[in-house]
Amino acid sequence: DGGITQSPKYLFRKEGQNVTLSCEQNLNHDAMYWYRQDPGQGLRLIYYSQIVNDFQKGDIAEGYSVSREKKESFPLTVTSAQKNPTAFYLCASSPRDRGGNQPQHFGDGTRLSIL
Amino acid sequence: AQSVTQLGSHVSVSEGALVLLRCNYSSSVPPYLFWYVQYPNQGLQLLLKYTSAATLVKGINGFEAEFKKSETSFHLTKPSAHMSDAAEYFCAVSGSDFGNEKLTFGTGTRLTIIP
Repeated sequence: DGGITQSPKYLFRKEGQNVTLSCEQNLNHDAMYWYRQDPGQGLRLIYYSQIVNDFQKGDIAEGYSVSREKKESFPLTVTSAQKNPTAFYLCASSPRDRGGNQPQHFGDGTRLSIL
Repeated sequence: AQSVTQLGSHVSVSEGALVLLRCNYSSSVPPYLFWYVQYPNQGLQLLLKYTSAATLVKGINGFEAEFKKSETSFHLTKPSAHMSDAAEYFCAVSGSDFGNEKLTFGTGTRLTIIP
């Protein structure tokens, strides 16, 4: 079955450490997205990519970095500059459509905590 | 610019009763609207989407939503609640930003079903 795989499911970060969250999709979707979810705040967009080797900042990109070297993969690095990284991180993908009517498909998330 | 407001962060209904979750949107262009459901520690699943073909949209699990342009609303309903409907529900609006489609999410409504 096609889908989006996020790993690991749980991740712990030490002070001053960078960590990378994995997101892989086999849906042949062009667009991929990273969201951060905090209780009571809904989902906030961190980065998104419409095509390989191109990506744009979302609403809360500071302290995060991404790469898009392959269509299937869109890893997110949480850097030491992100002072409050504890959250649930969700990756999503969708077919590219300039009309904006394509729904996004989500992975099961990675929960990041500070040690 | 686009935004979504979900009225009521928590809603409780008795099993078998009507479910009504409220969503109002703001968009400078004709919107595409979505409802997603999230179960604990999982990603989001698409319930239904509005893409201007019909104002009453039927989704999965017996849910439906009606698009009302005059009220800028897209409320989610289900005639008879089931225990398995307990989850968090998110309304989202899609808009194009120079051809890069992004979803803007509401802050979510947690639905509790009372036996």
